[in-house]
Amino acid sequence: QKEVEQDPGPLSVPEGAIVSLNCTYSNSAFQYFMWYRQYSRKGPELLMYTYSSGNKEDGRFTAQVDKSSKYISLFIRDSQPSDSATYLCAMRRDDKIIFGKGTRLHILP
Amino acid sequence: DTGVSQDPRHKITKRGQNVTFRCDPISEHNRLYWYRQTLGQGPEFLTYFQNEAQLEKSRLLSDRFSAERPKGSFSTLEIQRTEQGDSAMYLCASSFGQKNTGELFFGEGSRLTVL
Repeated sequence: QKEVEQDPGPLSVPEGAIVSLNCTYSNSAFQYFMWYRQYSRKGPELLMYTYSSGNKEDGRFTAQVDKSSKYISLFIRDSQPSDSATYLCAMRRDDKIIFGKGTRLHILP
Repeated sequence: DTGVSQDPRHKITKRGQNVTFRCDPISEHNRLYWYRQTLGQGPEFLTYFQNEAQLEKSRLLSDRFSAERPKGSFSTLEIQRTEQGDSAMYLCASSFGQKNTGELFFGEGSRLTVL
C-alpha cells in the first residue's frame, strides 16, 4: 500500500461548480498536510497547508483534514477555467514531503 | 529574488551518456530537495540537503545518481550511464528553517529524455 493515495482523475466539472479533491494516507506519523497546484510543464506551487484536524479556508479554497480517518480534502468554490491544473496532496513525515499522484482537474467554460 | 532556477530546462541524451543538472535555490533557503516526476505521477523524493550536508537519500537514488551541494548554495544532480528509465522531470525545491511546514518552493524542472 502506498503511503499516500490520490485518485488521478481526470475530473471535469462545469465552471462555477464546487470541486472536491481527496487523499487518504496510511502513516500516522504525517504531521503537516499540504495541497500543491501544478500547471502543465511547470513546478508545483503551494496552495494551502494545515497541521491539525479541521478546516482551513483561504478565499475560494478550503482544506480539510481528518486525522482519525487519515483523510484530507480540498474544496474549490466557484471554480474557474484558470483552476484547471493538477492538484497534488502532500504530507510531511520528518523532513520529507511525500506527494500523492495528483488529480488532473478540468474546469469547462 | 527570482525564485528557484534550474538548468538546463530540457536535456536530450543517448543511453549511456552522463548528464548533470544544476539548481540554484532561493538565496536565504538552507534546505534543498531533489524530486523526480514521471508522467501521471506525483513528485518522488530523491534526496535533500541542509546547507552542504546531504541528510537523506531515497532508495530510488541508485549508485548512478549523485548529488552535491558545495558551500551550501547551488546543487548539482549527476546521472551516470543514463538509461531510458531515467527519462523524467527532475524537480528541485528549496525551503527555509528547521521547522519546515512543507512549504517547498519548486523550480520549473529539468526534463530529461534518454534515447
